[in-house]
Amino acid sequence: NAGVTQTPKFRVLKTGQSMTLLCAQDMNHEYMYWYRQDPGMGLRLIHYSVGEGTTAKGEVPDGYNVSRLKKQNFLLGLESAAPSQTSVYFCASSLDRLVIYGYTFGSGTRLTVV
Amino acid sequence: AQSVAQPEDQVNVAEGNPLTVKCTYSVSGNPYLFWYVQYPNRGLQFLLKYITGDNLVKGSYGFEAEFNKSQTSFHLKKPSALVSDSALYFCAVRNTNAGKSTFGDGTTLTVKP
Repeated sequence: NAGVTQTPKFRVLKTGQSMTLLCAQDMNHEYMYWYRQDPGMGLRLIHYSVGEGTTAKGEVPDGYNVSRLKKQNFLLGLESAAPSQTSVYFCASSLDRLVIYGYTFGSGTRLTVV
Repeated sequence: AQSVAQPEDQVNVAEGNPLTVKCTYSVSGNPYLFWYVQYPNRGLQFLLKYITGDNLVKGSYGFEAEFNKSQTSFHLKKPSALVSDSALYFCAVRNTNAGKSTFGDGTTLTVKP
């Protein structure tokens, strides 16, 4: 049971470089999310998607872009990485809008920007 | 504004003793409440939820939580802690109207043998 798969698991970027984080889910969930986790700050929502071809901003969208070209994939892009974007990034999906059944999370991408 | 407070950064208990991880929340309307557990280098895993109905909800791995509307709390409990319960625990609340989830900052539970 794959669930939510994130690649890569680790990455080190230099300031100003760009990269794309990949998220894939095999549960046919409509809703997908990108969160970042920082010590003592819980999880903060970056962007989310309510279906194929749709995206919306979360709490901390600046510096990030997303795309949902296929239902099963949700991509997070950093166009010009900054040290403040050093974090652990989690992709999640949910079956419904109200998240009655909870989120299913990937195992995370640990990104360091130097 | 919607918020979740986990007042303890760290909870230490001895194996076999009961454990409680505290969570209080603030939200307009009826809340959906969740607990998640995160093991090192892993994503968050769903433990249990309160949507409606009985105030005491049971979840995975022997955990339970009690919804207290008057105290706006949703404390996580387990009657007898295991060393393997050591992990980071997150409480989350979702506003059923606005559809927004808020996570607490997390509580590190350490169970010592």
